[in-house]
Amino acid sequence: EPEVTQTPSHQVTQMGQEVILRCVPISNHLYFYWYRQILGQKVEFLVSFYNNEISEKSEIFDDQFSVERPDGSNFTLKIRSTKLEDSAMYFCASSEGIGNQPQHFGDGTRLSIL
Amino acid sequence: GEDVEQSLFLSVREGDSSVINCTYTDSSSTYLYWYKQEPGAGLQLLTYIFSNMDMKQDQRLTVLLNKKDKHLSLRIADTQTGDSAIYFCAESVGTSYGKLTFGQGTILTVHP
Repeated sequence: EPEVTQTPSHQVTQMGQEVILRCVPISNHLYFYWYRQILGQKVEFLVSFYNNEISEKSEIFDDQFSVERPDGSNFTLKIRSTKLEDSAMYFCASSEGIGNQPQHFGDGTRLSIL
Repeated sequence: GEDVEQSLFLSVREGDSSVINCTYTDSSSTYLYWYKQEPGAGLQLLTYIFSNMDMKQDQRLTVLLNKKDKHLSLRIADTQTGDSAIYFCAESVGTSYGKLTFGQGTILTVHP
């Protein structure tokens, strides 16, 4: 069964450094998403992306965050200047459509900011 | 705004049925989903229901939706030790581009 793959599985970064999290969505999917889960808290929506532009973003997704689909297969989340509070599990998801086309998630990248 | 709540823990014996409950606040929810997370893994889609349905059955899984009370449940029949995991309820609303709002997850522990 096709899968969403995320790399790396664990990223350790110094505070203030830039980090790029990578995702390969399922190949025929058109909608792409990033979520995060801070330890002990709910999974939170960050951003959705369709047709090479952001469809919707949450309040968390401020100017420090950006997303890109640099080629036909990858979908990346960049955090420009990381803070301690960015430490979390980041999940990428993709779907064929919205509504009755459910989102399929990757295994996540654990980001640890020191 | 949207809010989704779940109870945190459920413990059952192997072979019994498990019922995991979820409540949501947004009456414009269109789809409601159940995801399963095993240790070290991502969120695996289990099943989902459209808001104009009352029930959906898929093998050992039964989803019940009470739209009036904004209550969703997931019943797992003949629960096995391999069902031990965290179960997340999530909703999407018609006005958003697929954004999911998650509950905090219910930790299901199945005892032999």
